[in-house]
Amino acid sequence: GAVVSQHPSWVICKSGTSVKIECRSLDFQATTMFWYRQFPKQSLMLMATSNEGSKATYEQGVEKDKFLINHASLTLSTLTVTSAHPEDSSFYICSAPGGGPGTEAFFGQGTRLTVV
Amino acid sequence: GEDVEQSLFLSVREGDSSVINCTYTDSSSTYLYWYKQEPGAGLQLLTYIFSNMDMKQDQRLTVLLNKKDKHLSLRIADTQTGDSAIYFCAESIGDYKLSFGAGTTVTVRA
Repeated sequence: GAVVSQHPSWVICKSGTSVKIECRSLDFQATTMFWYRQFPKQSLMLMATSNEGSKATYEQGVEKDKFLINHASLTLSTLTVTSAHPEDSSFYICSAPGGGPGTEAFFGQGTRLTVV
Repeated sequence: GEDVEQSLFLSVREGDSSVINCTYTDSSSTYLYWYKQEPGAGLQLLTYIFSNMDMKQDQRLTVLLNKKDKHLSLRIADTQTGDSAIYFCAESIGDYKLSFGAGTTVTVRA
């Protein structure tokens, strides 16, 4: 089946620094990818839709200057958390659309971000 | 807006059946999904059901859908220790986007 790979799996950074998370579709092309965020004991919340060749679409309440999204190619989307703060610590997961019934989305393995 | 709700915790004895319940609000959802998340890992699609079905069975998994009540359930037969995880109910909300519930943490005890 289709594979979405996310890198890194975990990262620890200092407050004020920026962190880049990559999401790759390994054996298929994805013109659209989605970024979700998950707080402990809570559900995944859709942050934004990444569009290849155009600007990302952000969900209400998500700061686009804080969470920079770049969809540089048909197989790669990146999420950069700029000037990270401890409250940005979370689990970030990307997904790419599937191709038919029951394959609504293929998910990456997620990135655990801890800001200290 | 979309709102998916599910109970947060379930404890079950090994070998028994587990039943996880979920309610959703978007009656236009075409598909409903169950995902499994093991600690520190991403989401694994377990099964899905098309909105015009009321039941789907896949090995140890049985999904029941009551569209009138917008109620979805997942039954795991003969629950094993490897089934311990968080289970997310999700509905499709268009354009390949999903709306998730908060997840049910299933703990299997010996």
